[in-house]
Amino acid sequence: NAGVTQTPKFQVLKTGQSMTLQCAQDMNHNSMYWYRQDPGMGLRLIYYSASEGTTDKGEVPNGYNVSRLNKREFSLRLESAAPSQTSVYFCASSGRGAPYNEQFFGPGTRLTVL
Amino acid sequence: ILNVEQSPQSLHVQEGDSTNFTCSFPSSNFYALHWYRWETAKSPEALFVMTLNGDEKKKGRISATLNTKEGYSYLYIKGSQPEDSATYLCAFNDDNQGGKLIFGQGTELSVKP
Repeated sequence: NAGVTQTPKFQVLKTGQSMTLQCAQDMNHNSMYWYRQDPGMGLRLIYYSASEGTTDKGEVPNGYNVSRLNKREFSLRLESAAPSQTSVYFCASSGRGAPYNEQFFGPGTRLTVL
Repeated sequence: ILNVEQSPQSLHVQEGDSTNFTCSFPSSNFYALHWYRWETAKSPEALFVMTLNGDEKKKGRISATLNTKEGYSYLYIKGSQPEDSATYLCAFNDDNQGGKLIFGQGTELSVKP
């Protein structure tokens, strides 16, 4: 089992460019999450998907969109990147077999917006 | 807005020292409290998931306690080693939020040989 995978690992964008961060899990989990991590801020939830076909905003959704393509995949899109979106992005999943909503994290995507 | 606070923000100790950190969380609608260990350039990994008031969990030299009535949890590391250097995150799961976790800002531990 690969667990949670994310692509790309690193990305540099110019202000105004768009990109999609991909996430996939092979644990048959229902729920998937996108977080951003900034120094001194811990992990902040951007969007989550409680099950296939549903998505909801988290704490910091502005400037992002998501798609839950199927049970395995949950993508995060930046339509017009801004320097404030420079961050490390983590995808996570949780669900059946993971007690009390324990989350499993991907390796992260380090994004720099110039 | 649900708030999870961790203290201290960072900690520098010598190898062999014992140390502890605090996580405080809302005491209402409690479902679970998670501790994650996050090493630099890696992804967070779950250490403990605690659900019952008075719960104590242990993994090697690391242990955690939980007080849901007053809304706090302590993480203890006995005899710190350099490989314990990491950021330790706690996360609160409330009854009304489904699977969503509210993370604290973390305690960054550095253990010097």
